[in-house]
Amino acid sequence: TQLLEQSPQFLSIQEGENLTVYCNSSSVFSSLQWYRQEPGEGPVLLVTVVTGGEVKKLKRLTFQFGDARKDSSLHITAAQTGDTGLYLCAGVGGATNKLIFGTGTLLAVQP
Amino acid sequence: GAGVSQSPRYKVAKRGQDVALRCDPISGHVSLFWYQQALGQGPEFLTYFQNEAQLDKSGLPSDRFFAERPEGSVSTLKIQRTQQEDSAVYLCASSLVWGHPDGYTFGSGTRLTVV
Repeated sequence: TQLLEQSPQFLSIQEGENLTVYCNSSSVFSSLQWYRQEPGEGPVLLVTVVTGGEVKKLKRLTFQFGDARKDSSLHITAAQTGDTGLYLCAGVGGATNKLIFGTGTLLAVQP
Repeated sequence: GAGVSQSPRYKVAKRGQDVALRCDPISGHVSLFWYQQALGQGPEFLTYFQNEAQLDKSGLPSDRFFAERPEGSVSTLKIQRTQQEDSAVYLCASSLVWGHPDGYTFGSGTRLTVV
């Protein structure tokens, strides 16, 4: 059972466009991570956000953690074809700090 | 090794067959997780090891699934009497520091297809 819902599920855009992916939960997490996964590979960590309201920037990617630490967003500016992949948010929690992954957003950037 | 290694990369099993999936974590990594990922979906937690101790197996879907890490390094996920719904990618992740999510490195996974 997924506790983190991502929207949209699929996104196909043209190179140069902007986009936002949302990650929502009814649970509070100690921190939240975003990953990108390419076909045939494991997820690769992009960022970890810890503090409610926190905003982190990674080149053209902007990540925000909600004030209540239940939701997050990923904004990509001027998307490139190399941004294509499956974007996953993951809440960190429990005694073992296991990752609870979101439902995923499949992004396709067309040239 | 430099990364988390999983083998085999691909496995086709006939329904009812037993399979064993192997994970070689990064040398010295204490924490090891197994996840199951359906196509286009987020990975779902299966089980967690700290060294050789299996501290959490709450995500194993049935008693047909069994995982071990007898010497605190290599781990094996075994699925008995495979069924079609077991078809998925099985991911392994390891971490040097206990439970620190920033340190998780994922392997490329084993794609299991049950026919």
